[in-house]
Amino acid sequence: QKEVEQNSGPLSVPEGAIASLNCTYSDRGSQSFFWYRQYSGKSPELIMFIYSNGDKEDGRFTAQLNKASQYVSLLIRDSQPSDSATYLCAVNKRDRQAGTALIFGKGTTLSVSS
Amino acid sequence: DAGVTQSPTHLIKTRGQQVTLRCSPKSGHDTVSWYQQALGQGPQFIFQYYEEEERQRGNFPDRFSGHQFPNYSSELNVNALLLGDSALYLCASSLGPGQPQHFGDGTRLSIL
Repeated sequence: QKEVEQNSGPLSVPEGAIASLNCTYSDRGSQSFFWYRQYSGKSPELIMFIYSNGDKEDGRFTAQLNKASQYVSLLIRDSQPSDSATYLCAVNKRDRQAGTALIFGKGTTLSVSS
Repeated sequence: DAGVTQSPTHLIKTRGQQVTLRCSPKSGHDTVSWYQQALGQGPQFIFQYYEEEERQRGNFPDRFSGHQFPNYSSELNVNALLLGDSALYLCASSLGPGQPQHFGDGTRLSIL
């Protein structure tokens, strides 16, 4: 089982619709969860992070976390063509020396059509 | 406020050579992590530096080594380059090891 799994897509939604991106993780000890957006040829950009069960909203973005189900999701409301990118889910992995690696999924490609 | 800066932007090397990539963290950040991203894949964690020590290491061979300087900047060194080392190398900085990480623009390394 992969540590972080995402559907690679592509996920296609019309402009103005809600895009729903999903991610599952295997390590029950993970405490922090992140969503990054990566445009083609660019580096990842942090858009949301969530630490507690439930929802966290920031503008058009909502991150949802369910630790019991080991499931994280990202909702993008009123999707715009500029949201077309690859969305990477990342989960922290701690070790005894207090380092914190981010373990990434392969990413989901989102395409928003106008 | 400068973000994470990496140099060089692009680099072309041949098999067997050695390379050094550099990273300056975002202002106020003291933790630097390095990642390798192959085409079509998510970033893979190489290692993390905090207080000038390697705190955590991913599943990469000893050919990959690093350093953090007192001003928090960092270097990634790769020896005996292989064709498979061709990738985008990303540096990320954070306000401590457990905090959200912010990425630089990366160094694209091509091995011929």
